[in-house]
Amino acid sequence: ETGVTQTPRHLVMGMTNKKSLKCEQHLGHNAMYWYKQSAKKPLELMFVYSLEERVENNSVPSRFSPECPNSSHLFLHLHTLQPEDSALYLCASSQDDGVGYTFGSGTRLTVV
Amino acid sequence: AQSVTQLDSQVPVFEEAPVELRCNYSSSVSVYLFWYVQYPNQGLQLLLKYLSGSTLVKGINGFEAEFNKSQTSFHLRKPSVHISDTAEYFCAVRGSNYQLIWGAGTKLIIKP
Repeated sequence: ETGVTQTPRHLVMGMTNKKSLKCEQHLGHNAMYWYKQSAKKPLELMFVYSLEERVENNSVPSRFSPECPNSSHLFLHLHTLQPEDSALYLCASSQDDGVGYTFGSGTRLTVV
Repeated sequence: AQSVTQLDSQVPVFEEAPVELRCNYSSSVSVYLFWYVQYPNQGLQLLLKYLSGSTLVKGINGFEAEFNKSQTSFHLRKPSVHISDTAEYFCAVRGSNYQLIWGAGTKLIIKP
């Protein structure tokens, strides 16, 4: 247990489905991140929230929609995904000074 | 702009042999450097970090790294690897916006 909990660990969804990924941290961190990790590609930063406000959106398609209701919780809402969206989605948290991220174990998403 | 280069995508090494994973960075701001490890089907875990002080940093699992400002390097070393060290290793530098800039990762392959 790293202090950052992601659920579910595995998710298979059809292209017309709507699902959500959840991330929770109780480390007192005030920044949270969504990353996408695909095979043979570098880590891709998707979204950054600092003090519950989105501070970065790296040109992510609108079929991915983040939500940060409070400093401990982060969601990634998914709808009408494509097979190329299949990947490991990692959540991380840190203090907003960026010194030391703590990662969750990830959600392995498969889009069929 | 900051960047991180991990020179090797894969490093095969025999069990109980020493290993060095190379990382070079470029940064125009104060340098904070990190190494993370990702075991199969898991998230990333912090191995060690350099913030200031001694240039030789010791981390978990017997790993250490040396910050070399003149060569802009932060290579990771272990004197004797074990099969359990099989993983992917990521080098990162803190960027000017306090977010981490990641290298592409190096897969450490331990041969029995």
